[in-house]
Amino acid sequence: AQRVTQPEKLLSVFKGAPVELKCNYSYSGSPELFWYVQYSRQRLQLLLRHISRESIKGFTADLNKGETSFHLKKPFAQEEDSAMYYCALRIQGAQKLVFGQGTRLTINP
Amino acid sequence: NAGVMQNPRHLVRRRGQEARLRCSPVKGHSHVYWYRQLPEEGLKFMVYLQKENIIDESGMPKERFSAEFPKEGPSILRIQQVVRGDSAAYFCASSPNWDSFSGNTIYFGEGSWLTVV
Repeated sequence: AQRVTQPEKLLSVFKGAPVELKCNYSYSGSPELFWYVQYSRQRLQLLLRHISRESIKGFTADLNKGETSFHLKKPFAQEEDSAMYYCALRIQGAQKLVFGQGTRLTINP
Repeated sequence: NAGVMQNPRHLVRRRGQEARLRCSPVKGHSHVYWYRQLPEEGLKFMVYLQKENIIDESGMPKERFSAEFPKEGPSILRIQQVVRGDSAAYFCASSPNWDSFSGNTIYFGEGSWLTVV
């Protein structure tokens, strides 16, 4: 069965430090992966899609099929990055996402 | 463009009562999705609807839960005879067409928090 695992519920780093939020997935099909961000009880927003290979707000994520991972990285964390981050997998041919449990990122000044 | 609007944002119900959660999609969007987030868990897919049709309800509990998206008006998620385990955040999302995930045109609402006492 398909599954998304975010092993860290909480992650705290200092401003200016590098940050990496881990995401591993289990899926027999061709994976399509996303990172969503939720700031302070606001709505969920799409941050990144693996197919676009873009960098948003300094964040990047690379799909590693060998390790079945899609870790989110930023070289220099900023205080405004504090939020909940969710990794999600789209089920092939279906209009639904499987979400990880989320990681609460806190950037300390 | 107001985005996806959900109401109420917070709802308290006693065990056995009914809960109705409403979702108004982005104007022009005809596809609606409901997700549930139990405490300490990720969002879980419940149901996908188009106008007047349920397309995929594989994530809906078999009993007490129902969803509709009428031709006019918001989508409604209805929970009958609520129990404590129904306490969760319920998120709605909408998109203009079927294959919206890749096109970055799916939008989430701010969620409705249901508390059953």
